[in-house]
Amino acid sequence: EAGVTQFPSHSVIEKGQTVTLRCDPISGHDNLYWYRRVMGKEIKFLLHFVKESKQDESGMPNNRFLAERTGGTYSTLKVQPAELEDSGVYFCASSQIPGSAGGYTFGSGTRLTVV
Amino acid sequence: KNEVEQSPQNLTAQEGEFITINCSYSVGISALHWLQQHPGGGIVSLFMLSSGKKKHGRLIATINIQEKHSSLHITASHPRDSAVYICAVEETSGSRLTFGEGTQLTVNP
Repeated sequence: EAGVTQFPSHSVIEKGQTVTLRCDPISGHDNLYWYRRVMGKEIKFLLHFVKESKQDESGMPNNRFLAERTGGTYSTLKVQPAELEDSGVYFCASSQIPGSAGGYTFGSGTRLTVV
Repeated sequence: KNEVEQSPQNLTAQEGEFITINCSYSVGISALHWLQQHPGGGIVSLFMLSSGKKKHGRLIATINIQEKHSSLHITASHPRDSAVYICAVEETSGSRLTFGEGTQLTVNP
C-alpha cells in the first residue's frame, strides 16, 4: 500500500512568488491534515479536510494560504504571494476515520524556503 | 506556554545507554503519539497510546493519564537512533494533533 506522498520534497522560491504543494493521501483515507513546522517552533496544525470539505481551517495563518481538495482525493496548498516567514516544512497526514483511531500516516514533508 | 511540553530539548548519549524522553500536556486527550523524524526525512509514527504501556523492539512508551505525562524510553541506544523525537496529543475536542517542540537525540558510537 502506498503511503502519503508529498511533492515537491524541496522548493526554493523568491519572496512574492507563488508555490503550490501537493499531498496524495493513502487511497480511501477521507481525512487529510496539513501541518507545518517553521524554524525553531513546534509543528502546528493548518487545516483538516473530510473528503473535499474543510472540516477545520482554524490553523491557516492568513489569506495568502489556500488549500483545496477537489474530488476528495489529493490536496493542494498554495501560498500566494510567499513571504520569508512562510519558510518551513509542510507536512500532510491522512487517516481513514477522524483522529488516531483511524491511523494517522504522515508524508515526508515539503521543505519550503522563501528567499 | 505550549500545551505540550517535552524534555529535554537536546540529549546526547553514548551508544548502549538507556534514554528517557518526557512529555507533559495540559489538555484532555484521547490519544498521545510518539513520532520520529530523521534529518531531511518525513515523520514516522512510533506509538499511539491512550493508556498504559507499549513496547516495540528497544522502544517503550508509557502514559499516565491522571498525571498527564508520557515517557519514551530507548534501551541499548544506537547511533541510528539519532533523530528528533516528537510527542503529539490528540485533544478530546477534535482529531487534529498538537505537537511538542521535539527532542533532538544524538547517540555517539
